[in-house]
Amino acid sequence: EDQVTQSPEALRLQEGESSSLNCSYTVSGLRGLFWYRQDPGKGPEFLFTLYSAGEEKEKERLKATLTKKESFLHITAPKPEDSATYLCAVRTHMNSGYSTLTFGKGTMLLVSP
Amino acid sequence: DAGVTQSPTHLIKTRGQQVTLRCSPKSGHDTVSWYQQALGQGPQFIFQYYEEEERQRGNFPDRFSGHQFPNYSSELNVNALLLGDSALYLCASLGTGGLRNTEAFFGQGTRLTVV
Repeated sequence: EDQVTQSPEALRLQEGESSSLNCSYTVSGLRGLFWYRQDPGKGPEFLFTLYSAGEEKEKERLKATLTKKESFLHITAPKPEDSATYLCAVRTHMNSGYSTLTFGKGTMLLVSP
Repeated sequence: DAGVTQSPTHLIKTRGQQVTLRCSPKSGHDTVSWYQQALGQGPQFIFQYYEEEERQRGNFPDRFSGHQFPNYSSELNVNALLLGDSALYLCASLGTGGLRNTEAFFGQGTRLTVV
């Protein structure tokens, strides 16, 4: 069974204090690892897709990296508007041949000014 | 270009009642998945619709059912509501057939409260 574990559960940073969020996964054949941002009471907002170990993607202050067992979301010089819950998910292929997403519980990030 | 839209945004129901939630996928997408997100948890897969048929189902009871229309929009129905059904219900749309490596785009969700 595919599993996704995110750590830490919550992270509090000062504005400008860089850090990383971790997503470790167990999956029978990775077909895509996804990062989403979710604001309170809202739907997840797509950030990145990674497919193979060594792949990296960047968007503004965020950079996602992937190894064979885990992914990191690096946040450089964060601002208060980066405060949100960050969700990691892996694509799971079901017996039917169709795919779905298996999510972790998320990391709640709070950036203080 | 409209993204994924869901209605209503909030809903309060009484135990035992039935509820219908609605979703219109992103333009150009024909596959819709539904997820349930309890407070403090990640989204959990309910089921997926493509070509007006349920293609895959997660670990949810038969009280949860759905439908997809010819215009690709979808409904999620929940019968005999329980307090534990209180959650944020998310609709996600994907590109053709749900088989391609396309990203899933989510709507803003429907917050269901069962009292």
